[in-house]
Amino acid sequence: TQLLEQSPQFLSIQEGENLTVYCNSSSVFSSLQWYRQEPGEGPVLLVTVVTGGEVKKLKRLTFQFGDARKDSSLHITAAQPGDTGLYLCNAGNMLTFGGGTRLMVKP
Amino acid sequence: SAVISQKPSRDICQRGTSLTIQCQVDSQVTMMFWYRQQPGQSLTLIATANQGSEATYESGFVIDKFPISRPNLTFSTLTVSNMSPEDSSIYLCSVETSADTQYFGPGTRLTVL
Repeated sequence: TQLLEQSPQFLSIQEGENLTVYCNSSSVFSSLQWYRQEPGEGPVLLVTVVTGGEVKKLKRLTFQFGDARKDSSLHITAAQPGDTGLYLCNAGNMLTFGGGTRLMVKP
Repeated sequence: SAVISQKPSRDICQRGTSLTIQCQVDSQVTMMFWYRQQPGQSLTLIATANQGSEATYESGFVIDKFPISRPNLTFSTLTVSNMSPEDSSIYLCSVETSADTQYFGPGTRLTVL
């Protein structure tokens, strides 16, 4: 059992659709990070959430940290092919990554 | 932020040989880590590379198989020893520049025949 459970594992959608990726745990974290990894590259940090209930927006991406700091979600509005990649959540203070969500956005 | 480079970017190796991967950072950092990413999967922490002392390994990883050097605050190496096809993976180094924030190198894609 992984410390961080991500869902869904795979997601294939059409350009313009909305989607939400979840990162859940039974543990409380001081912070949680979301990364995106494209083929042939290392993960790139998208955002860090620290405060329970915090919402951060990065253009079409909206990140939320659960009130109890045990879970997080990533919502993408009007997905584009450039959003294709592996999305990873990370509990920073544990150096642990979720299993990842592989997103493919078809034009 | 930090800019991280890795060498080699990819390699194809024969069973039983060893490969040393280099990781260079453009600034001094205290925390440096090595991860493995098997095809289609997430990242698994191999070890924390400690400057001036032995690396700290995670469960399932041992020094004899994955010796690590950390001679200074900008450089580290990971050796994959006595390789088998099961070692075929992407190996990534990362650094932590502020609390809970990591920056990753581009990875080394290793194929063992």
